Amino acid sequence: VQLLEFGGGLVQPGGSLRLSCEGSGFMFSNYAMTWVRQAPGKGLEWVAVISGSGDPKYYADSVKGRFTVSRDNPINKVYLQMNSLRAEDTAVYYCVKDWGLDFWGLGTLVTVSS
Amino acid sequence: DIQMTQSPSSMSASVGDRVTITCRASQGISDSLAWFQQKPGKVPNRLIYAASRLQSGVPSRFSGSGSGTEFTLTINNLQPDDVATYYCLQRKTYPWTFGQGTKVEI
Repeated sequence: VQLLEFGGGLVQPGGSLRLSCEGSGFMFSNYAMTWVRQAPGKGLEWVAVISGSGDPKYYADSVKGRFTVSRDNPINKVYLQMNSLRAEDTAVYYCVKDWGLDFWGLGTLVTVSS
Repeated sequence: DIQMTQSPSSMSASVGDRVTITCRASQGISDSLAWFQQKPGKVPNRLIYAASRLQSGVPSRFSGSGSGTEFTLTINNLQPDDVATYYCLQRKTYPWTFGQGTKVEI
């Protein structure tokens, strides 16, 4: 099993960024995928989850209405579209396999700063 | 939202000790609780799921117990490799919520 996140970087407040995560080594479409983030020096925060079929999806209150999770099963990818970014969204974003969070990617750093 | 409160926030123990970390939920979550270990600079790793089921490959000195609102992660015979921050997570109700973490040092 492997999860590779892409798309992190520096963005200005109010800007947008799309993270992607490519899974391999498992039947991607059979598994829900979760995003978890960790601000520098802080604890873990659950962000969103999407079922294997793409619906349903659930979000943390802190990102609801600003972030959108989606997936493209034929190419084994899950995405996190992040809009209206704030300084407090600065974190390492982890892509995690399944409802039970049994396997984690290495993460990608998102920095929101002017 | 369900609040998850871990205690202690940090602790220091000796090699060979038994360590107990508690996680309390603000409302009942049945056994919908997992424990994760995050070593310094590393990615989190699941240790326990469904409150007491040991993840494959995790040493048997780790165990979990509890149901409802109070849960415990126990590390028997603490080893230097166990230095990490430990987090609980409830998946009973959205939004899922993590505890604030317990840092274990030797």
